[in-house]
Amino acid sequence: QVQLVQSRAEVKKPGASVMVSCKASGYTFTNYYIHWERQAPGQGLEWLGLINPSDGSTSYAQEFLGRVTMTRDTSTRTLYMELSSLRSEDTAVYYCARAVGAHSPVDYWGQGTLITVSS
Amino acid sequence: EIVLTQSPGTLSLSPGGRATLSCRASHSVTSRFFAWYQQKPGQAPRLLIYATTSRATGIPDRFSGSGSGTDFTLTISRLEPEDFAVYYCHQYYGSPYTFGQGTKLEIK
Repeated sequence: QVQLVQSRAEVKKPGASVMVSCKASGYTFTNYYIHWERQAPGQGLEWLGLINPSDGSTSYAQEFLGRVTMTRDTSTRTLYMELSSLRSEDTAVYYCARAVGAHSPVDYWGQGTLITVSS
Repeated sequence: EIVLTQSPGTLSLSPGGRATLSCRASHSVTSRFFAWYQQKPGQAPRLLIYATTSRATGIPDRFSGSGSGTDFTLTISRLEPEDFAVYYCHQYYGSPYTFGQGTKLEIK
């Protein structure tokens, strides 16, 4: 079955960087885009960007340009999302989620990774 | 950026009732690129409806979507206890992809 298994929760200090991983299984890795979204405590969903695992091409939300980097490792079927210059407002659950195309709905989500930014 | 505004913020209904959730977009959204998600506490969202009217795999037919342009609706007929959750609308065409702020469907 399709699984997206994300890395564990982390606590980071303001100004630091964090990398969240997402290991995919149960489907053809290069056939599905991976989106990254986040959800601050008690808030709604926010889209950070997407990556095409087939060629590594990316598209980022304007708000996160310069701070977010999405990569993939096809040998281990793992996706990565790095967010730098962390601030308290970045405290959220970060999700990876797959979609068959760049303009297709996300159909499977990872379990989420809580990133807490606190001094 | 396409802003999605959902109403009402909270909807209180009884099991067996009918729920109508609305989502208004700040700019026209092509119907192919509009979806609804359900989220329960502590869980990731679940895809309910995509392309405005198509039910995702395994979604019961009491869930239906409609709309076009800037106004979209999710209807849940015959509410079951497991339907009480938060619902988000979502457009996945114009970058950044955006979500509504959510409608909480609670038991009356």
